[in-house]
Amino acid sequence: GQNIDQPTEMTATEGAIVQINCTYQTSGFNGLFWYQQHAGEAPTFLSYNVLDGLEEKGRFSSFLSRSKGYSYLLLKELQMKDSASYLCAVRANTDKLIFGTGTRLQVFP
Amino acid sequence: DTAVSQTPKYLVTQMGNDKSIKCEQNLGHDTMYWYKQDSKKFLKIMFSYNNKELIINETVPNRFSPKSPDKAHLNLHINSLELGDSAVYFCASSLLQYQETQYFGPGTRLLVL
Repeated sequence: GQNIDQPTEMTATEGAIVQINCTYQTSGFNGLFWYQQHAGEAPTFLSYNVLDGLEEKGRFSSFLSRSKGYSYLLLKELQMKDSASYLCAVRANTDKLIFGTGTRLQVFP
Repeated sequence: DTAVSQTPKYLVTQMGNDKSIKCEQNLGHDTMYWYKQDSKKFLKIMFSYNNKELIINETVPNRFSPKSPDKAHLNLHINSLELGDSAVYFCASSLLQYQETQYFGPGTRLLVL
């Protein structure tokens, strides 16, 4: 079957660093995506990994290990506006994106 | 200059009614999707169309019927609405069928009473 696991909730302090983990078991792999979703809004694309390693984009970085079925999203210099849900999604054999249940991150002052 | 738009944003209706949600994208993308996000925020694919052709049809009740009049539009019609259909429905699009990022619309919040 298809399975994507993420922690349900995390909390962190403004200015800190937080790492959100995602493990997956899917039939086939054609890339892993991270999306950010603020409450009441649409998911927005953050990052895409298809090869092993780290992809850095400003304060956000995403890491992938295909052999371990593992990814993480690293958020640096946290800001209050980073409070949101972070969705890990895997593109399996087809065009279908399989989403995890999301990690709700709360950033406190 | 909205990329992916949906109407209506909110929809409140009675059980048993039939309703439609419209989606349009002006990105020139070939592929469009419908997702359902339930109360636990779990986002799940329902349908996908590529150049007006159905390519993904998950195990969705046949009360749900997507229609794509052209590749810029993908509408969702729901017959005989049930309480369990209450959710947020997101339309999305991507440039190509594979390997591409999906861009989401603002969502339609459906409440069935």
